[in-house]
Amino acid sequence: AQKVTQAQTEISVVEKEDVTLDCVYETRDTTYYLFWYKQPPSGELVFLIRRNSFDEQNEISGRYSWNFQKSTSSFNFTITASQVVDSAVYFCALSENAGGTSYGKLTFGQGTILTVHP
Amino acid sequence: GAGVSQSPRYKVAKRGQDVALRCDPISGHVSLFWYQQALGQGPEFLTYFQNEAQLDKSGLPSDRFFAERPEGSVSTLKIQRTQQEDSAVYLCASSGGQGSNQPQHFGDGTRLSIL
Repeated sequence: AQKVTQAQTEISVVEKEDVTLDCVYETRDTTYYLFWYKQPPSGELVFLIRRNSFDEQNEISGRYSWNFQKSTSSFNFTITASQVVDSAVYFCALSENAGGTSYGKLTFGQGTILTVHP
Repeated sequence: GAGVSQSPRYKVAKRGQDVALRCDPISGHVSLFWYQQALGQGPEFLTYFQNEAQLDKSGLPSDRFFAERPEGSVSTLKIQRTQQEDSAVYLCASSGGQGSNQPQHFGDGTRLSIL
């Protein structure tokens, strides 16, 4: 069965610091997809990125970057020069392909609460 | 709006009452998911619809939980004879496709409190 672990329960940083959120996953599937979502206090989960298991290139989007390492089953998320608006709960999630039969059920980690202080 | 809409935003009920939670997905989205999020935890899958067909209800915790999507758009999650352990945020998500690679778009959730 698939599993996602976010070992950091809470992280607190001061504005402009860089911060990395860790995500480790377990799956027996050879094809799978990894996601990061942001959950601000309003409660809505906001999609940030999707990565498939065959693409290990790192990705950068503005202040956000993602490091996918299949060898260590990790998909870490870094925020550069953090801002107060980055304060939220961040979730890593996994969706297995199951030979093309999967419809996309997500397995989430427990989330990391990020607080950025001014 | 263009996003997933859930109502009510908050629901308080006494133990033993029945409740109904509504989800209005993004127009045209084939896939609809319900998740339950306990305080301080990640969301956990409850059930999945492809159009009007409920293809997976393996995550529903008991037979007190029932979901429907009769016309393939709006969905309702019903909980009968509520219990305190049902207190959680119930999240609805939709996606335009049917595969495991499709990002899901979430609503704000319904926060259910059982007294």
